[in-house]
Amino acid sequence: DTAVSQTPKYLVTQMGNDKSIKCEQNLGHDTMYWYKQDSKKFLKIMFSYNNKELIINETVPNRFSPKSPDKAHLNLHINFLELGDSAVYFCASSQPGLAGGRTDTQYFGPGTRLTVL
Amino acid sequence: RKEVEQDPGPFNVPEGATVAFNCTYSNSASQSFFWYRQDCRKEPKLLMSVYSSGNEDGRFTAQLNRASQYISLLIRDSKLSDSATYLCVVNAPDRGSTLGRLYFGRGTQLTVWP
Repeated sequence: DTAVSQTPKYLVTQMGNDKSIKCEQNLGHDTMYWYKQDSKKFLKIMFSYNNKELIINETVPNRFSPKSPDKAHLNLHINFLELGDSAVYFCASSQPGLAGGRTDTQYFGPGTRLTVL
Repeated sequence: RKEVEQDPGPFNVPEGATVAFNCTYSNSASQSFFWYRQDCRKEPKLLMSVYSSGNEDGRFTAQLNRASQYISLLIRDSKLSDSATYLCVVNAPDRGSTLGRLYFGRGTQLTVWP
């Protein structure tokens, strides 16, 4: 059974289109994340939700809108796609720790490779 | 200044070699430390946690120096299957939140050749 799943695995689209990536975790975790990994392989956090509430919102264009219908799902919708949005997008989940406390392992989905033409 | 700094490599070593990776972090309030491994075109996966007392898992040894804010990973008797990118990861308090969050280094690429 897949712990964290994402769909689609590959997404090729034209500039200006709107697309969504879906993520689901069956680990019972409270916290879910979206990360972007660009061509230089640097993994950057975009958003984090804890029990359906947004807790981390990095400096991301407002064309990116996360939605968490329940704590097992965190979807990412992207409007007006640009060339620079091409990257691999990873969803992840974990059980949160308090600041200064130990955080449980973060489990990643297989990634969605987005190519904007 | 980045939260977590790593030498990106690449490190190219023969099978059987010992290789060491280093990492520094900037937030002195950081509490949890990890090494993740990422294979080519795959997701990152936890390799091991890092404790102040140092810890070992088979051929892998991780060390933490809080005073210097420095983390290391030592791989002994390298195998071909060790070829991957190794990510240094730190859990630190997020601004304005009671929850910690993970900060990832850029990763160090390792290639083990026969």
